[in-house]
Amino acid sequence: AQKITQTQPGMFVQEKEAVTLDCTYDTSDQSYGLFWYKQPSSGEMIFLIYQGSYDEQNATEGRYSLNFQKARKSANLVISASQLGDSAMYFCAMGIGTNAGKSTFGDGTTLTVKP
Amino acid sequence: NAGVTQTPKFRVLKTGQSMTLLCAQDMNHEYMYWYRQDPGMGLRLIHYSVGEGTTAKGEVPDGYNVSRLKKQNFLLGLESAAPSQTSVYFCASRRPLGGEQYFGPGTRLTVT
Repeated sequence: AQKITQTQPGMFVQEKEAVTLDCTYDTSDQSYGLFWYKQPSSGEMIFLIYQGSYDEQNATEGRYSLNFQKARKSANLVISASQLGDSAMYFCAMGIGTNAGKSTFGDGTTLTVKP
Repeated sequence: NAGVTQTPKFRVLKTGQSMTLLCAQDMNHEYMYWYRQDPGMGLRLIHYSVGEGTTAKGEVPDGYNVSRLKKQNFLLGLESAAPSQTSVYFCASRRPLGGEQYFGPGTRLTVT
C-alpha cells in the first residue's frame, strides 16, 4: 500500500522568507512520481511541481523547489520569498508508475503568510 | 479548451436519493479520477479509470459506482445517498506515463 504523510497541519511564515513543507512517503514500487498541489480558499487544485523517482536532480519551478531525498523517502516543498498569495492548503501526492494510474494524497498543510 | 468540467457544482440530496455526477475533459487524457474531500482533509480516491470502458476501485469505493463509456466522460453515481457522503467531489484527468493531474472545480454535495 502507498502512503503519504504530512506532519505539519499548519505553518506560519513571514512574507519574503522561505518555508519548507514536509512530506514523507511509503511505497514498495520503484517507479513513482511525487507531486505538490496548492489549494487556495477558493477551492481549486493547482499543480505546483513534480519529481520522478528516477530523476537525479531536484525539481524546481520558479519559487518552488522539491527537496527529494530518496533514501529517506522524503519530498519536501520549499517555497522561497513567500508572498501573501501563497497562503493556502498544500498537498503532497504520489502516483505509482507500475500500478497504472493509482494516486495517493496526504492530508495537507495549511500555510499562512504573515505580512 | 475548457479543461476538466464537473456538473453540477452544488447539490443537496435527501438520504436514500440517487444522483450522478458528470465529469468531462477535452484534453484527450486516458486516465480519469474521482476523489472526495472532507473538511480539513486531503483527497481520497474513490474510483479511477485508465481508459474507455475500464474502471478500478480506489481507497474509498463503497457506496459509489462509476462508468467510463466515452473517453472524455467519467460518471460517478450514488445509488442511495447517506449523510456520510456529504463532501466535495473532485474529478481529475491526466495523460499516461506520469504528469500532473488536471482537476475540475469540484461539486459540493450535501446529504440531509
